[in-house]
Amino acid sequence: SAVISQKPSRDICQRGTSLTIQCQVDSQVTMMFWYRQQPGQSLTLIATANQGSEATYESGFVIDKFPISRPNLTFSTLTVSNMSPEDSSIYLCSVGTGTGGYEQYFGPGTRLTVT
Amino acid sequence: AQSVTQPDIHITVSEGASLELRCNYSYGATPYLFWYVQSPGQGLQLLLKYFSGDTLVQGIKGFEAEFKRSQSSFNLRKPSVHWSDAAEYFCAVGASGTYKYIFGTGTRLKVLA
Repeated sequence: SAVISQKPSRDICQRGTSLTIQCQVDSQVTMMFWYRQQPGQSLTLIATANQGSEATYESGFVIDKFPISRPNLTFSTLTVSNMSPEDSSIYLCSVGTGTGGYEQYFGPGTRLTVT
Repeated sequence: AQSVTQPDIHITVSEGASLELRCNYSYGATPYLFWYVQSPGQGLQLLLKYFSGDTLVQGIKGFEAEFKRSQSSFNLRKPSVHWSDAAEYFCAVGASGTYKYIFGTGTRLKVLA
């Protein structure tokens, strides 16, 4: 399995501002993903971060609101733009890896509160 | 369309008791199936996975799960629960050959001393 770190671990931000979340992996991985977990809810996939190409967004998520970068095979960032209180969530990155399979391993998450 | 149902939002068991967490899925073919655990303030940890083969899968921390195709279920079990197992447990279904997961809504486990 991969070791994944995220920065920051938590933040409190004012509405209208933006926050960039970093995800670092200890090995090269092809597939990286960003999820949102709203309070008391399950996980929802925001996008797949593809190295060397545009991220692929899920229905209901747009690049202007959640721009993603993937400059290399060990790093990705997710920006939450023009934040509102509804963006208060835990944001998790994950990597797809595994021998012969498609399991995902998750980072510890970034807890975002928007006031 | 794929879907995952975890019928129990909350479960409380006494320490040392056995545990079964239910997961039902809807998927047209044989899915990839996963159980994750999320402790308070933590990310998700993979407990076990099923891709194919033996339908009884062993995972970490003494957990096991059984894939029952006829019932579209993938229930998680542990014979004796420890206080440290208190957490939220998520079942997930993945489309075969992809990394696209659908997560269930989770079951929060409380363990009584």
